[in-house]
Amino acid sequence: EAGVVQSPRYKIIEKKQPVAFWCNPISGHNTLYWYLQNLGQGPELLIRYENEEAVDDSQLPKDRFSAERLKGVDSTLKIQPAELGDSAVYLCASSLVSDEQYFGPGTRLTVT
Amino acid sequence: KQEVTQIPAALSVPEGENLVLNCSFTDSAIYNLQWFRQDPGKGLTSLLLIQSSQREQTSGRLNASLDKSSGRSTLYIAASQPGDSATYLCAVRSGNTGKLIFGQGTTLQVKP
Repeated sequence: EAGVVQSPRYKIIEKKQPVAFWCNPISGHNTLYWYLQNLGQGPELLIRYENEEAVDDSQLPKDRFSAERLKGVDSTLKIQPAELGDSAVYLCASSLVSDEQYFGPGTRLTVT
Repeated sequence: KQEVTQIPAALSVPEGENLVLNCSFTDSAIYNLQWFRQDPGKGLTSLLLIQSSQREQTSGRLNASLDKSSGRSTLYIAASQPGDSATYLCAVRSGNTGKLIFGQGTTLQVKP
């Protein structure tokens, strides 16, 4: 069974440019999470979806970040415009309802 | 507000040694606790999930314990091997929200 898939794995952009990350969760997992991980820190939740509904987006900086999960499967996280401080690893995870979470390999973003 | 702390931040041991990693949390009203492993540049791999009603979980050479009343969990690794070298993260889920609160991790190095 395939795990959580994320793309791209690495992205380098200049500040003020837009960027998008894509996640495909484990088949059948209705809950999807986007986390942000800074160097040397544990991940922090940005947004959680149950099916198509964003049920917790309290930590998502809505002035520049947006996310969607169409048809309750794949999800896209977008940053526009990117800032230097957005350089980090963006992790996607999925689970059955609120059970054990499985993480993808992450997208390492570098903003120059 | 739930806070998770992992001490020490880094640990170096010779191969074959048994070791314990510590995790503490400030709010004992947790739903479950999960231990993860993260290799450099990679995503998180789930090692063990302990439900709030459980005291411990075992998988191979790994044993995780949970003491909710004292706000502590330990991850015991028996007969450590160089391949165990990685960062180990614990995360707690408070309530039925699905949101994981992570510690900063313990980076383990097992020397041959």
